[in-house]
Amino acid sequence: AQKVTQAQTEISVVEKEDVTLDCVYETRDTTYYLFWYKQPPSGELVFLIRRNSFDEQNEISGRYSWNFQKSTSSFNFTITASQVVDSAVYFCALDNDYKLSFGAGTTVTVRA
Amino acid sequence: NAGVTQTPKFQVLKTGQSMTLQCAQDMNHEYMSWYRQDPGMGLRLIHYSVGAGITDQGEVPNGYNVSRSTTEDFPLRLLSAAPSQTSVYFCASSYPLAGGSGELFFGEGSRLTVL
Repeated sequence: AQKVTQAQTEISVVEKEDVTLDCVYETRDTTYYLFWYKQPPSGELVFLIRRNSFDEQNEISGRYSWNFQKSTSSFNFTITASQVVDSAVYFCALDNDYKLSFGAGTTVTVRA
Repeated sequence: NAGVTQTPKFQVLKTGQSMTLQCAQDMNHEYMSWYRQDPGMGLRLIHYSVGAGITDQGEVPNGYNVSRSTTEDFPLRLLSAAPSQTSVYFCASSYPLAGGSGELFFGEGSRLTVL
């Protein structure tokens, strides 16, 4: 069985603060994929990143960065210098052979 | 560009009724899937398909049927609706990559209420 845990239910920050979202996963397989998706208040789901289990290189995309640590089964997501438009629910997901498991999500509120 | 289209967007059913949620994509994606989203539980996979004629169960398949007769369409059928199936349903598609799905493109969601 596979499982994704996002321990933080809600995070509230003031604009320009950095915020880190934790994601811990469980799987017995060596080949898998990890994702982050964003769901703004409007309700649509937006892809942010996909990472395979053999690529532990961290990634930065603008104000977003991801830290993948296989040794601790974690795939954390940091928003640097947060903005009000970053307010959303963020989901971490694990894909093992086309079966995706999502975490419960972390609601991020950025206050002006 | 239509992307992934779900219909209807809203539906109210009575317990025991059946209905079909439609999902169509125009991106020639082989992989399609259905999820339900409930408060505090994230998205849970109901059924998925890696190509026409191929379907498989996800985490919460009970009470739902799917079929995949074409690459474009992946309807989700509720056989006998129950209040526990009240949820928001999302359809998604992607190009399948070796061992897993690619970037998922989601529909706008269908809000179902079962009374």
